[in-house]
Amino acid sequence: EVQLMESGGGLIQPGGSLRLSCAASGLVVSGTYMNWVRQAPGKGLEWVSLIYSGDNTYYVDSVKGRFTISRDHSKNTVFLQMNNLRAEDTAVYYCVGAVSFAYYFDYWGRGTLVTVSS
Amino acid sequence: EIVLTQSPATLSLSPGERATLSCRASQSVSSSLAWYQQKPGQPPRLLIFEASRRATGIPARFSGSGSGTDFTLTISSLEPEDFAVYYCQQRNWPPTFGGGTKVEIK
Repeated sequence: EVQLMESGGGLIQPGGSLRLSCAASGLVVSGTYMNWVRQAPGKGLEWVSLIYSGDNTYYVDSVKGRFTISRDHSKNTVFLQMNNLRAEDTAVYYCVGAVSFAYYFDYWGRGTLVTVSS
Repeated sequence: EIVLTQSPATLSLSPGERATLSCRASQSVSSSLAWYQQKPGQPPRLLIFEASRRATGIPARFSGSGSGTDFTLTISSLEPEDFAVYYCQQRNWPPTFGGGTKVEIK
C-alpha cells in the first residue's frame, strides 16, 4: 500500500520560510514523478512543483525563485523548501505521486496546512 | 497555460439519478485529461485518466468521454458516497485543474 505522509506545515509570517517533508512508503520516490499540489481554503487545486529522474525540477510560475523541491533517496522523502512566503501561499499542501503517467496524480497524502499571516 | 472551465458549478441530484459533468479546455488537450473526486477533509482521488480510462478500483458507474476541448464525466447511477466535488485536470505543461463541480443531494 502506498502512503505519503506530509509534515512541516504551520503558521508563518509573510516573508518567512518553511520546509515541508513528504515521507513515502510503498513507492520509491527516485523512480516516481513526485509533485506538490496545493489547495487554498475553500478553493480549487493548483499544481506547484515536480521532481523526477535526474533531479529534473519544475515549478508553477507563481513560486519560481521562491520554492525548491528536492528529495533524499536514502530516506525516501521529498521536500519543498518555501522561502519569502506570501499570504497567497496559504493552502493545504499535498504530496502527490504520479506513477502511470507524468502529471496524472495517482497517490495523494493527506496534506499539511501552511498559513501565511501576520 | 490551458484554462479548464467546469459546468455546472453545482449539480443537485437524488441517489440513483444520472450525473453529467462537463469540462471545457481553452485549447485542445487531445485525450490528456483526468477527473478527480474530493470529499470534505480528504485529498482528491483519481477516477479517470486519458479522458476515458478508469483508475484502479474505480467502479464502472464512473465513465469519461471526450477529446480535444470538450469532456464529460458521467456517473450512471448516483450512490450516496458519490456526493462530492469533482475536478478535471489536463496534463500538458503546466498541468492545470478546473474549478470543480459540486454534486450535492437534492
